[in-house]
Parts: sequence; structure tokens; C-alpha cells
Amino acid sequence: EAAVTQSPRNKVAVTGGKVTLSCNQTNNHNNMYWYRQDTGHGLRLIHYSYGAGSTEKGDIPDGYKASRPSQENFSLILELATPSQTSVYFCASGDVYEQYFGPGTRLTVL
Amino acid sequence: QQKVQQSPESLIVPEGAMTSLNCTFSDSASQYFAWYRQHSGKAPKALMSIFSNGEKEEGRFTIHLNKASLHFSLHIRDSQPSDSALYLCAVSQGGRALIFGTGTTVSVSP
Repeated sequence: EAAVTQSPRNKVAVTGGKVTLSCNQTNNHNNMYWYRQDTGHGLRLIHYSYGAGSTEKGDIPDGYKASRPSQENFSLILELATPSQTSVYFCASGDVYEQYFGPGTRLTVL
Repeated sequence: QQKVQQSPESLIVPEGAMTSLNCTFSDSASQYFAWYRQHSGKAPKALMSIFSNGEKEEGRFTIHLNKASLHFSLHIRDSQPSDSALYLCAVSQGGRALIFGTGTTVSVSP
């Protein structure tokens, strides 16, 4: 089965600070995705990538940047973290027909 | 933008009963319809999916799609306590990305 790992698993950040969430996949999938999950909103797509060097905006990209330096790694960057970005973040790899999710990162911005 | 909504928000079913979950979508051009299941504290995991109108059965799970009504559903026969989870429906149009619903929390009482 596809293996997707995320780090850190838990993160507490201060308002205005920079946060980087990392994702690694070992199945050579071209596509990778970042979602956030909040009660009452399900999973919402932040950014996605079709391969190394590419990033695309999802449905809620404001306040987030993404980086895909290699096939295996996809990062989500919060340059100036705000309390509204407190959430659980999931990374996924695969394609639209079969996505494999990582275990999630719980981010709290104080 | 595609809107995907689920009902009910939550439900409690007795062990052995049928569980029925609903998902409506707004774009008739949608091509792919899926259900994901997420146990508490875990990553979402693909459960089953369908492309064309009709029914598809896999074990105790049945997915039913009616594109004209912009509606698809998931039915779980002989519900078990292990089926207790958050169920997310997802829709894709053109293969860009999945749009997820807000989720239905299912609790199966022994």
C-alpha cells in the first residue's frame, strides 16, 4: 500500500511565525495534495502538484504556499501564521481516482 | 464552483441495521463519485467509488448514483461497531481534484 508520511505530527506556532509542514511519499506518484480538515467543512484542497517543480492553487490557497522540490516531497508553508489556520492538515498522493492520505499534522496557532 | 453536501450530519444506528448516507453535488458534468471513511484520529481512506449511473456492491457496502438527480448514496448493510467513523463523499470533474463533502459521523451502537 502507498506510504505517505508527514512531519511534524503536532505543531504549536505563534501568530506571525513561519510554519513548514512536510510530506513524503514513497510510491512514485506524480500528484500530491494538501488539504485541511475542520469540523463542518470536511476536507478542503489548499494546493496540489503534478510533479517535481510544479504547484497549483486549490480551493483555499490564501495564506499558504507550497513547494515540490522532488517527486517524493511536498511542503506546505505558512509564511505568517494566523489563529484561523489552526487545523488538521493532510497530505495525499495518487490521482483523483485513488488518493492515499498521510496521518495528518495537528497545527495550533496561538 | 462545485458544491458537495452530505446528509445527515450525524446518525446513530443499532448494530445489525442498515446505514444510509446521502451526498448531493451541483455540477452535472461531474464524472467520478467516491466515498472515503475516516476512523477517529486516523487518515481518510478510500472506501468505494462509481463512474456511471446505477448501483455497485462490494460486500456489505452499496453505492448508488443518480446523475440526473445530482445525488449519490452509500448503504451499509448489517452495520458493525467497526463501521463507526466519519464518512466523506467526494466528487471529481475532469480529473483535476476531488471536492469533498462536509462528512457524516456514524455511530453504531452494540
